[in-house]
Amino acid sequence: DTGVSQNPRHKITKRGQNVTFRCDPISEHNRLYWYRQTLGQGPEFLTYFQNEAQLEKSRLLSDRFSAERPKGSFSTLEIQRTEQGDSAMYLCASRSSPTNEKLFFGSGTQLSVL
Amino acid sequence: TQLLEQSPQFLSIQEGENLTVYCNSSSVFSSLQWYRQEPGEGPVLLVTVVTGGEVKKLKRLTFQFGDARKDSSLHITAAQPGDTGLYLCALEGGADGLTFGKGTHLIIQP
Repeated sequence: DTGVSQNPRHKITKRGQNVTFRCDPISEHNRLYWYRQTLGQGPEFLTYFQNEAQLEKSRLLSDRFSAERPKGSFSTLEIQRTEQGDSAMYLCASRSSPTNEKLFFGSGTQLSVL
Repeated sequence: TQLLEQSPQFLSIQEGENLTVYCNSSSVFSSLQWYRQEPGEGPVLLVTVVTGGEVKKLKRLTFQFGDARKDSSLHITAAQPGDTGLYLCALEGGADGLTFGKGTHLIIQP
């Protein structure tokens, strides 16, 4: 297994467009997390899944953000009507239960909104 | 939400020097994790400290958890250019997600 995979690595879009990012976790990991990291800051928690269930989504930044994990394997994060302030690195991470298991991060998707 | 403060925010030193970076909280935490992040990559877990006063060593890196479990430090001996990166401390948040500090940007000049 090659670890957590994120696609695309880079995305440039115009303001107002929709974007979707994909995350493929480590295959045996049932927990999947999304984070956002802006320049000069640490990663900020957005949402997480246990299998296909989204157990926490109140920290998503606005109703323009949504995430899915339909079959409990890969996940997608969609941002609708992008704004320049959405420009950031979007990181995905996965781990097995329970909570204190090691968290593995992907390399992230760098989003630039023009 | 429990906040983590890291210091210094930036540190640039010469190869071979020693350094210490800090992570502090106003509240007691049950455990703390340290990560290193290279540009364009995700964070990689270095260590988890759990017990007050605990010291863990990872080659030239020494991690310490304060007795009161409100602070932690990372000491690097004889720093090398490969140690360059963003060092983040983090703790488990209430929503099962990690809460990160802003990190210390470390540059080791050859």
